[in-house]
Amino acid sequence: KNEVEQSPQNLTAQEGEFITINCSYSVGISALHWLQQHPGGGIVSLFMLSSGKKKHGRLIATINIQEKHSSLHITASHPRDSAVYICAVGTDKLIFGTGTRLQVFP
Amino acid sequence: EAGVAQSPRYKIIEKRQSVAFWCNPISGHATLYWYQQILGQGPKLLIQFQNNGVVDDSQLPKDRFSAERLKGVDSTLKIQPAKLEDSAVYLCASSLSNPPSGRMNEQYFGPGTRLTVT
Repeated sequence: KNEVEQSPQNLTAQEGEFITINCSYSVGISALHWLQQHPGGGIVSLFMLSSGKKKHGRLIATINIQEKHSSLHITASHPRDSAVYICAVGTDKLIFGTGTRLQVFP
Repeated sequence: EAGVAQSPRYKIIEKRQSVAFWCNPISGHATLYWYQQILGQGPKLLIQFQNNGVVDDSQLPKDRFSAERLKGVDSTLKIQPAKLEDSAVYLCASSLSNPPSGRMNEQYFGPGTRLTVT
């Protein structure tokens, strides 16, 4: 069993839909990261959080430390949101999930 | 602020050949990481540098992989000789060693080098 599990592995949506990606972890953590990776390969950090909730534009990330669970929400999804979303835990040494591939169709 | 730079972006080589990747971290970032990401998987840490010293290379296949950061700034990762299973995206990331008070230490990733070994 991986230390960081994401679900679903693949997700398709119509433009405008509300999207939720889940991340569960089994290790103690100091921080959890949500990352976005486009087909070209580069990774962009979306959020780093250790408690509660963060919002940036149409993206919302929440974390429940007691349940060892985090969610990434995308409101009013758009085709440009199509990417792989990766959950990672840790600060200095990151443990990555395998990613959720999101495709948003017009 | 310039981001993490990597080159080349793409490389195709035959097995048993050698290849080298270059990374220039964000100015002032003392910590540098090399990750290997095989298709369909999350990135795996190969080596972590703090300035020009190695902090963690426990997952680096040292029989064929080597990395250096001689002046504590840019870094090279080399594979010699390459195997088919080395086909992957190689990501470089950097971070501040001592983030400002109240700030968590965030890693900034480069665009990656996609290696194909045939």
